[in-house]
Amino acid sequence: NAGVTQTPKFQVLKTGQSMTLQCAQDMNHEYMSWYRQDPGMGLRLIHYSVGAGITDQGEVPNGYNVSRSTTEDFPLRLLSAAPSQTSVYFCASSLLGQNWNTEAFFGQGTRLTVV
Amino acid sequence: DAKTTQPNSMESNEEEPVHLPCNHSTISGTDYIHWYRQLPSQGPEYVIHGLTSNVNNRMASLAIAEDRKSSTLILHRATLRDAAVYYCIPGNYGGSQGNLIFGKGTKLSVKP
Repeated sequence: NAGVTQTPKFQVLKTGQSMTLQCAQDMNHEYMSWYRQDPGMGLRLIHYSVGAGITDQGEVPNGYNVSRSTTEDFPLRLLSAAPSQTSVYFCASSLLGQNWNTEAFFGQGTRLTVV
Repeated sequence: DAKTTQPNSMESNEEEPVHLPCNHSTISGTDYIHWYRQLPSQGPEYVIHGLTSNVNNRMASLAIAEDRKSSTLILHRATLRDAAVYYCIPGNYGGSQGNLIFGKGTKLSVKP
């Protein structure tokens, strides 16, 4: 049981390049989400999904796209990388629980640098 | 959305109990109170959650005030591995299904 797997662990991009951060979970969780964490800050929600085919925006969605074609995968796409997107990105998943009576599992993060 | 207040930092000695406080005075009656922690260079890790009653698990205990406006995470014997940022997060916000909204948390340092 691998839990939540994020790839790659590290990435350097040039300004304007695009890339996809991968997130996969093997726990059959309906809910998945992406966060970014800047130095010394808490996590901020980018996008989330409550099931295959359903996505919604979080607190800081600009510059990022997501899709959810399967229960297992929730990729995050950077369309045109900017230095402001330099951050550590975390993916999370959980069962859908009423009023959040549930536990979320996080990946180990992708450290992205945009130069 | 329920707002939380946590100390920016706390220190503890190894093998002593640690009480991490959290105020969440605007919590709604159906919100669970969650605690997560983040060890250095790692993703957040679930610690415990509860609604009204005190809760215990292998990692910690959660004491919830009777009026639910505050809670305390209790680490019974701190170890060096418990040095982390601890986040108190009321559940179910903003009308959405519910997303974990992280504040800045409390950075716990553990001294040998």
